[in-house]
Order: sequence, then C-alpha cells, then structure tokens
Amino acid sequence: EVQLVESGGGLVQPGGSLRLSCAASGFTFSSYSMNWVRQAPGKGLEWVSYISSSSSTIYYADSVKGRFTISRDNAKNSLYLQMNSLRDEDTAVYYCARDTFRYCSHWGQGTLVTVSS
Amino acid sequence: QSVLTQPPSASGTPGQRVTISCSGSSSNIGSNTVNWYQQLPGTAPKLLIYSNNQRPSGVPDRFSGSKSGTSASLAISGLQSEDEADYYCAAWDDSLNGEVFGGGTKLTVL
Repeated sequence: EVQLVESGGGLVQPGGSLRLSCAASGFTFSSYSMNWVRQAPGKGLEWVSYISSSSSTIYYADSVKGRFTISRDNAKNSLYLQMNSLRDEDTAVYYCARDTFRYCSHWGQGTLVTVSS
Repeated sequence: QSVLTQPPSASGTPGQRVTISCSGSSSNIGSNTVNWYQQLPGTAPKLLIYSNNQRPSGVPDRFSGSKSGTSASLAISGLQSEDEADYYCAAWDDSLNGEVFGGGTKLTVL
C-alpha cells in the first residue's frame, strides 16, 4: 500500500524558514516523480513544486520560485521542501503527492504550516 | 485566481445525476488530459478520475469524466450522501510546467 507521511510543519514568523519532509513507502520511490501541493485555510488546491525521479527536472510555481527548494533522497525514500523567506500567504496545509504521468495519484495526509508573528 | 474555472457550488438530491464543469485553455486542458480529485471534509484529496475518463481501482462507476477541446466535465450518477465533498479538476499546464487546479466545486447532497 502506498503511504506518504509529511512532517516538519509548524508555526514560523514571517521571513523565517522551515523544512518539510515526506516519507514514502509501499512503492519504488526512486521510480516516481513527486509533487508538493498546498491548500490555504478554506481555499482550493495550489500546485507548488515538481521533481522528477532522478532530480534532473524541477519546476516551481511562480509564487514560490526563488524561495522554496524541492529535493529528494532516493536512498532514504524521502522528499523535502526547504521553505525560506516565508510570507503570511504561505500559510497552508502542504501535501506531498506521488506523480503518475503528470497527475497526483497518491497523497499524504498533509502538514500545516502557519506563518504569523 | 485559479487557472482552471469551475462553478463554486453544485447540488442534487439522492439518486439524481449531477455534472460539474471545468474550463481551461490551450496550454492545459487543450493539450493535456484532465484529472479530477475528491476531497471529503477534513481529509486529503483523493484521485477520482485520471486521463479524462479513467477511474482508479475502487472508484465506483457512478463517477465519469469527459473532455472536449478546452473544457471538461465530471458526472456523478445515482448521487449518494457520501458524495458530499469538494471536487477539483486539474491538468498539466505546458506554460507553467505544473499541474494546475480549478478553484473547486462544493457538492451538496440535499
């Protein structure tokens, strides 16, 4: 069974940094691209970033470009999102999702990031 | 402002058939397949339809998807109370290099 478990969320001040992790199991992690998708409180889904299986291709939404960095460690079956220069509007539940032919076939339960002073 | 456009709400009575529309552009729906996600209250999204009209294992055949040009739709037949959820359409966007989403449609079963 595919399992994705996010961690690392919490309360951070504007301008601060946070690193999210996603632990994957139940599938061959190194064979799949991965995504981060976020959802602000009471709002819809917003794609954040994509990383290919070998990390050779990486994309970011314009809203986070230059501030967030996606990475992965295939040996540890883990996906990461380093978030710097955080803003109030980055407050959201962050989901990691397995990519299958450019759609999110499996989702984690999410981790809440709150940016507030 | 979402890249794909959906109605904010839809409703129906048990047993009824409802459809949810999704409109995009040539860089997303017009050139890539459409996917639909269901988000039950308080839970993570779940893949409901992929590649325009394919259902993952476990999704009832009451759910169906279609696409024409730069628009798509999700149909739910034999509406049940447990179908009450938020539904999101999505498609890869060749200009943005990511999966773009609609704003979501809140389905209420009356």
